[in-house]
Amino acid sequence: EAGVVQSPRYKIIEKKQPVAFWCNPISGHNTLYWYLQNLGQGPELLIRYENEEAVDDSQLPKDRFSAERLKGVDSTLKIQPAELGDSAVYLCASSLGGGEAETQYFGPGTRLLVL
Amino acid sequence: GQNIDQPTEMTATEGAIVQINCTYQTSGFNGLFWYQQHAGEAPTFLSYNVLDGLEEKGRFSSFLSRSKGYSYLLLKELQMKDSASYLCAALDSNYQLIWGAGTKLIIKP
Repeated sequence: EAGVVQSPRYKIIEKKQPVAFWCNPISGHNTLYWYLQNLGQGPELLIRYENEEAVDDSQLPKDRFSAERLKGVDSTLKIQPAELGDSAVYLCASSLGGGEAETQYFGPGTRLLVL
Repeated sequence: GQNIDQPTEMTATEGAIVQINCTYQTSGFNGLFWYQQHAGEAPTFLSYNVLDGLEEKGRFSSFLSRSKGYSYLLLKELQMKDSASYLCAALDSNYQLIWGAGTKLIIKP
């Protein structure tokens, strides 16, 4: 069974440019998470989806970040415009259902460098 | 506020045993997870505890004390491939994972 797929794996952009990340969760997983992880830190939740509904986006900087999961399967996270401080690893994770203590499975992440 | 505390870094010797501690303070509690993360890779699931006591899984064991807000991950017969960061994460009343910063474990020959 395929795991969580993310692309691209690496991205280098100049500040003020837009960037987008894509995630395809494990088949059958209804809950999808986007995290940001800085070096030496734990993941920080940006947004959580239950199917196509964003049920927790309280930590998403909505002035520059947006996300969508139109058909309740794959998802896109966008930053526009990117800032130097956005350099980090962006992790996508999925689980069977968010209302229980379900294990989250992570994709390989996208490593973003903003110059 | 919600908080997870774990040591920043630990060093151990190949073949030995190491215990990584984690204390947590959350709004409600629905269990505690341990994840392993090798450098440059995604976190991978190791264990989940929701009841007090010790759960053993091969060379790795995880312990939970809900009354003390405390957990530990025990790694036995350490191998060089165990060099990684170990992340403790507690599930709060909203089923949101609160993550620690991770403990970087360095294994020496």
